[in-house]
Amino acid sequence: NAGVTQTPKFQVLKTGQSMTLQCAQDMNHNSMYWYRQDPGMGLRLIYYSASEGTTDKGEVPNGYNVSRLNKREFSLRLESAAPSQTSVYFCASKAGGNIQYFGAGTRLSVL
Amino acid sequence: GENVEQHPSTLSVQEGDSAVIKCTYSDSASNYFPWYKQELGKGPQLIIDIRSNVGEKKDQRIAVTLNKTAKHFSLHITETQPEDSAVYFCAANNFGNEKLTFGTGTRLTIIP
Repeated sequence: NAGVTQTPKFQVLKTGQSMTLQCAQDMNHNSMYWYRQDPGMGLRLIYYSASEGTTDKGEVPNGYNVSRLNKREFSLRLESAAPSQTSVYFCASKAGGNIQYFGAGTRLSVL
Repeated sequence: GENVEQHPSTLSVQEGDSAVIKCTYSDSASNYFPWYKQELGKGPQLIIDIRSNVGEKKDQRIAVTLNKTAKHFSLHITETQPEDSAVYFCAANNFGNEKLTFGTGTRLTIIP
């Protein structure tokens, strides 16, 4: 029972490079989320998708794009990475209630 | 929008003692208050939650209390054990709303 799977676990980028963070869930959840976690700032919502085919901005969407590829998969893309995007990124999903289930995270460093 | 403040940012307690983490929220419409635990190298995991129609909820050694009038809620861990060492996040939203607003986290260290 995998739950929420994020790839890769670690990534180092140079400023200006692009990359896509992948997230997949096998719980048949409708909603999916992308957060970033920075020291002293908790979890901040980047984008979310309430259902397949819809996406909405969260608290800190600038510099990111998302794609809800299907019900299982929700990807986060950095088109031109900046040092300020160095962070730990978490994907989460939830069913109809309020409990969010998180992946193990992707630790990203932008040099 | 909702704003959640969490204190303290770090907390160290002797094994066997109790730990208390406090959060305040700003939006009076919020009615759902979960607590998540994040162990090292892992994602956050829900440990307990409370809705605004109750003032306290317990689950073995952990409990959450809610004061709607003062807009604050707290996590209480009794008889702490080494495996309680982790980062704890409080959160708030209006139940059914897609977005949770998280506090900034508390790093709890249990001293053997």
